[in-house]
Amino acid sequence: GAVVSQHPSWVICKSGTSVKIECRSLDFQATTMFWYRQFPKQSLMLMATSNEGSKATYEQGVEKDKFLINHASLTLSTLTVTSAHPEDSSFYICSAGRGSDEQYFGPGTRLTVT
Amino acid sequence: GENVEQHPSTLSVQEGDSAVIKCTYSDSASNYFPWYKQELGKRPQLIIDIRSNVGEKKDQRIAVTLNKTAKHFSLHITETQPEDSAVYFCAASSRGNNDMRFGAGTRLTVKP
Repeated sequence: GAVVSQHPSWVICKSGTSVKIECRSLDFQATTMFWYRQFPKQSLMLMATSNEGSKATYEQGVEKDKFLINHASLTLSTLTVTSAHPEDSSFYICSAGRGSDEQYFGPGTRLTVT
Repeated sequence: GENVEQHPSTLSVQEGDSAVIKCTYSDSASNYFPWYKQELGKRPQLIIDIRSNVGEKKDQRIAVTLNKTAKHFSLHITETQPEDSAVYFCAASSRGNNDMRFGAGTRLTVKP
């Protein structure tokens, strides 16, 4: 149990376009979902926390107008990178919690902006 | 907020030896301490966790110890195998899972 999927697994887009990444909890209802960014050989940096039906809470330094998060249901959260630029290229990972302490991670999405 | 420091950043051991990774945290309210293993290009996988009401927890070759007074916790891997090679992250949180912070990671290499 506690499987989290993420789609797409990788995406290449042109500078100035927007990209949407989906995060789904497949076999449980996620009360909270988290979005992380990970640069090569670095740690997981929390971008935002989202609860179903409410606005996401963004970490300091993360532009909420650039990284739009929607948590429309207990099994789906989306991250939209708007007006993407090459510096947004990174590995984006979501995770889901189901009320206890544990977080279950998705497989990640590698975004490359050309 | 919580600040988690992790050492060493890289660790190389011979197969069969033990590996120890240490983390310290700053928020005395933290009460949940998971360890994740991440292989290259893959998702972090929870390998063991410990809560503040326990001082030690063991699962086969993996053990975690927690010293709340000193605010540090450690991961111990015994009888290491090449497949243990990965990046290991510690983390700490105090409000369920809403404020989890990760250490910088330790790249473990187990040489056959």
